[in-house]
Amino acid sequence: SYELTQPPSVSVSPGQRATITCSGDKLGDKLTSWYQQKPGQSPVLVIYRNTRRPSGIPERFSGSISGNTATLTISGTQAMDESDYYCQAWDFNTHYVFGTGTKVTVL
Amino acid sequence: EVRLVQSGAEVKKPGESLKISCKGSGYSFSSSWIGWVRQMPGKGLEWIGIIYPGDSDTRYSPSFQGQVTISADKSITTAYLQWDSLKASDSAMYYCASPPTNGGGYFDYWGQGTLVTVSS
Repeated sequence: SYELTQPPSVSVSPGQRATITCSGDKLGDKLTSWYQQKPGQSPVLVIYRNTRRPSGIPERFSGSISGNTATLTISGTQAMDESDYYCQAWDFNTHYVFGTGTKVTVL
Repeated sequence: EVRLVQSGAEVKKPGESLKISCKGSGYSFSSSWIGWVRQMPGKGLEWIGIIYPGDSDTRYSPSFQGQVTISADKSITTAYLQWDSLKASDSAMYYCASPPTNGGGYFDYWGQGTLVTVSS
């Protein structure tokens, strides 16, 4: 089955840039989205179709993709961004697959 | 406003059956896919499957095929996830989630989650 691999944890200082990667075979051929999930809450979409940001999501969240790796970047990280983040890939064959998840800690 | 409202928490015994629900409103339920996602305690998100209520076309993750059944009743704009015989390992939070009507391969609306506890 298809797998997406994320680092288990990322630490960042307030105001600095946080980078979360998501790797999978031929990921560049799929559409990647990112979700933020805080404890006890439902996931929230923060990036869709690799690079697009839903309305209401701060501009400090951005997405990119290069080859087999998608990246979520949080520029100027704030304490409120401390959360779990999941990538998710889609195509017609595998449908939906979630990544392993990354816990972002703002120190 | 799009809303997905899920049924309440359930406590069941191993071997029992269960059907949880997700009621959609504020959008064309019959013309939009609706999916289910599992999150075991302290673990990540897992896609279970998805259904198109308009014609009941259903797709399952290979990991969940044969383990659960997804259905929908478009007359009451409600999707369901059901088990015929629960196991302790089915204990988890279950979310319904909907992609945009035009597809796109992502979930922009989520239900509040239904906690399922299976214990003897």
